[in-house]
Amino acid sequence: AQSVTQLDSQVPVFEEAPVELRCNYSSSVSVYLFWYVQYPNQGLQLLLKYLSGSTLVESINGFEAEFNKSQTSFHLRKPSVHISDTAEYFCAVSEYNQGGKLIFGQGTELSVKP
Amino acid sequence: DTGVSQDPRHKITKRGQNVTFRCDPISEHNRLYWYRQTLGQGPEFLTYFQNEAQLEKSRLLSDRFSAERPKGSFSTLEIQRTEQGDSAMYLCASSLAGQAFNEQFFGPGTRLTVL
Repeated sequence: AQSVTQLDSQVPVFEEAPVELRCNYSSSVSVYLFWYVQYPNQGLQLLLKYLSGSTLVESINGFEAEFNKSQTSFHLRKPSVHISDTAEYFCAVSEYNQGGKLIFGQGTELSVKP
Repeated sequence: DTGVSQDPRHKITKRGQNVTFRCDPISEHNRLYWYRQTLGQGPEFLTYFQNEAQLEKSRLLSDRFSAERPKGSFSTLEIQRTEQGDSAMYLCASSLAGQAFNEQFFGPGTRLTVL
């Protein structure tokens, strides 16, 4: 069965510092990988996705994630965070040809301090 | 606004009562998903529809839960004889199937509190 583990429940960082949010998954078949973000009092939004091809994917606001098949990881990174990046981040997987249902990790609360 | 909408946004009920939530997907989307999110956890898949057909139900969906999508547009999720453990945020998402990948767009959720 699929599972997703986010290794850190809370990550406090100072503004302009780099950050890495870790995600590992378990699946016996090929998967699509996602990071979703949930800003305070808002719904879930897709931040970035890995479907195939280049293992490094980027978002429009400076986040990137790298798919590592051998380590079954999909860590999220940003070289310099802003106050506005404060949010809950969820890693998720979806197995090929399984109707698109998403299996989410527990979430990581990123708190950016001035 | 043409995003996914959910109604109500908040529901407080007493244990044992029945509740019903509604989800209106993005109009051209043929897939609709329900998830449940409890405090401090990620969303958990409950069920999904393609058009009006319910194609998968999670084991989390006990017989007190029922979901419908009668005309392949909006969907309802009903919980009968609510229990305190049903308190959670119920999320709806929709997508357009038929592509290699179908991005799911989420609604704002319905927060259920069972007293």
